[in-house]
Amino acid sequence: DAGITQSPRHKVTETGTPVTLRCHQTENHRYMYWYRQDPGHGLRLIHYSYGVKDTDKGEVSDGYSVSRSKTEDFLLTLESATSSQTSVYFCAISQDADGYTFGSGTRLTVV
Amino acid sequence: QKEVEQDPGPLSVPEGAIVSLNCTYSNSAFQYFMWYRQYSRKGPELLMYTYSSGNKEDGRFTAQVDKSSKYISLFIRDSQPSDSATYLCAMSRSGGYNKLIFGAGTRLAVHP
Repeated sequence: DAGITQSPRHKVTETGTPVTLRCHQTENHRYMYWYRQDPGHGLRLIHYSYGVKDTDKGEVSDGYSVSRSKTEDFLLTLESATSSQTSVYFCAISQDADGYTFGSGTRLTVV
Repeated sequence: QKEVEQDPGPLSVPEGAIVSLNCTYSNSAFQYFMWYRQYSRKGPELLMYTYSSGNKEDGRFTAQVDKSSKYISLFIRDSQPSDSATYLCAMSRSGGYNKLIFGAGTRLAVHP
């Protein structure tokens, strides 16, 4: 996972609280992505970014927002966490037509 | 119906076996095809990358793409216990902005 770091690695939070996950890259890649991974669903795209301040929704964006104020940082915010958002969250980066490089993931539990 | 279908397994094979992993897809616009390997509690890592149809070989791994059948495969020869992982297929429509669509992943166990 060299060049891409996710924080925190684990988090337990209560229903209704806001949560922010951070993705930091040192590769200067243009594209950044947030996915969630759940059994039976594989990886599903939440939001993605194609540049500073340029973001767009993926297939499961409801309840999530993102921000990218610097090339290296991509933040994912759960405005009001729900139990259905318990999941493993992966950040990924890519440049042009390259494959993705993934972070190590954040395991989020909403109780 | 999902754009990309992948049998979740689990698939259990003895060491040294040839393993075949497959995905089917519905969108004929897909041009880039990839296989990722994911060990337990780790992020996926890119294993094979193929553009359009044909075969690509890398050591014990061979990726095949048959666009006419909308079918891709990953073959692992002389499988090892260290190959035990979940394998995810992924594909995208074009280069540049590369929004990948993933299969659900196949869990593989190679036993000694």
